[in-house]
Amino acid sequence: GAGVSQSPRYKVAKRGQDVALRCDPISGHVSLFWYQQALGQGPEFLTYFQNEAQLDKSGLPSDRFFAERPEGSVSTLKIQRTQQEDSAVYLCASSPYRDSGYFGPGTRLTVT
Amino acid sequence: KNEVEQSPQNLTAQEGEFITINCSYSVGISALHWLQQHPGGGIVSLFMLSSGKKKHGRLIATINIQEKHSSLHITASHPRDSAVYICAVPLSYNTDKLIFGTGTRLQVFP
Repeated sequence: GAGVSQSPRYKVAKRGQDVALRCDPISGHVSLFWYQQALGQGPEFLTYFQNEAQLDKSGLPSDRFFAERPEGSVSTLKIQRTQQEDSAVYLCASSPYRDSGYFGPGTRLTVT
Repeated sequence: KNEVEQSPQNLTAQEGEFITINCSYSVGISALHWLQQHPGGGIVSLFMLSSGKKKHGRLIATINIQEKHSSLHITASHPRDSAVYICAVPLSYNTDKLIFGTGTRLQVFP
């Protein structure tokens, strides 16, 4: 595909369940970002990869959040033991190094 | 104080009107992004600019680095322009990590 894709687009989880959100960046893009967007708010940074290296994870809200990009392309954001406050849209963006970000459609997570 | 502030928060317009959305930021930056988010959450990158002005179709973005201010203009607005418009800047000069404004919700009525 031509753009960043994310799956699933929508996810409903019961509190306490683990979830895994996938991001397929544009082929060849070095940088990959994950953002969390709560309802009515602007996105907030979670974590950043340059190729397979996670260079910044300062935005991850707790140790229940874990992200990986093992081969420098597809990335997975995992949330363990989901809580209601984890309900948000999770956005992935990729870019060539030092360039404008291309955003995916987001995954809307609802924890009930 | 938010590092990126947008105004107005909400904006309604009649089709055909000229729209202006403003963004002010407090950090030193290398470039500023304007993004469009439609219902459902997907974000589209409209512009990245570091000086002057850029134009794409009916959209125009300007930036004044000295004043730390940018504007997004929409000429001849159309109902399909209805969306949330978000301004974002890098946290510092040597990072691509973005910080975002809370967005301006635009509704254009026919």
